[in-house]
Amino acid sequence: DTGVSQDPRHKITKRGQNVTFRCDPISEHNRLYWYRQTLGQGPEFLTYFQNEAQLEKSRLLSDRFSAERPKGSFSTLEIQRTEQGDSAMYLCASSLAGGEQFFGPGTRLTVL
Amino acid sequence: TQLLEQSPQFLSIQEGENLTVYCNSSSVFSSLQWYRQEPGEGPVLLVTVVTGGEVKKLKRLTFQFGDARKDSSLHITAAQPGDTGLYLCAGDQNAGNMLTFGGGTRLMVKP
Repeated sequence: DTGVSQDPRHKITKRGQNVTFRCDPISEHNRLYWYRQTLGQGPEFLTYFQNEAQLEKSRLLSDRFSAERPKGSFSTLEIQRTEQGDSAMYLCASSLAGGEQFFGPGTRLTVL
Repeated sequence: TQLLEQSPQFLSIQEGENLTVYCNSSSVFSSLQWYRQEPGEGPVLLVTVVTGGEVKKLKRLTFQFGDARKDSSLHITAAQPGDTGLYLCAGDQNAGNMLTFGGGTRLMVKP
């Protein structure tokens, strides 16, 4: 399977804990995006990378959120000191520059 | 206020019926995508429309981009239970940066 993959698919954590998610994009894609989707809503943009450079961040991305793409391939999204409001589906997408975005299966985060 | 408004939010129809989903905005988009999402999965790209007035067909699905590139519609002919899912429109204002999504239309097709 050469699509976008995300790990883990599900994560349950207690409030205050840190969590990290991983996204592996389609191999030839140089852009990688993170979105968040809460129940009953459409996805909301968080941030995106072109190669290893983080080019844009949403105001939704608070100081507790950090994303990296150190070698321009896979990316990680870390949430520190999780809150119940962080419970959501975290979606990763990849594309060629200016091209269509293809999404991974998402990581469902539940903060107790 | 969402940049992209989808209507209806929910639609429950019988197999064989036709339906139309609308995606409206006051903003101009360089392109607009339609995705379908199953519960617990990521959105799957159905189509991209780029040119104002463009019409694209995908089997029983017909997609149209408004002349002013501010709105779009998805029409499904003779809906089937397999069409059940969340339909999302997403607009790209900057030719390949962030996507702005509508709130989605949840479709249920009953056999």
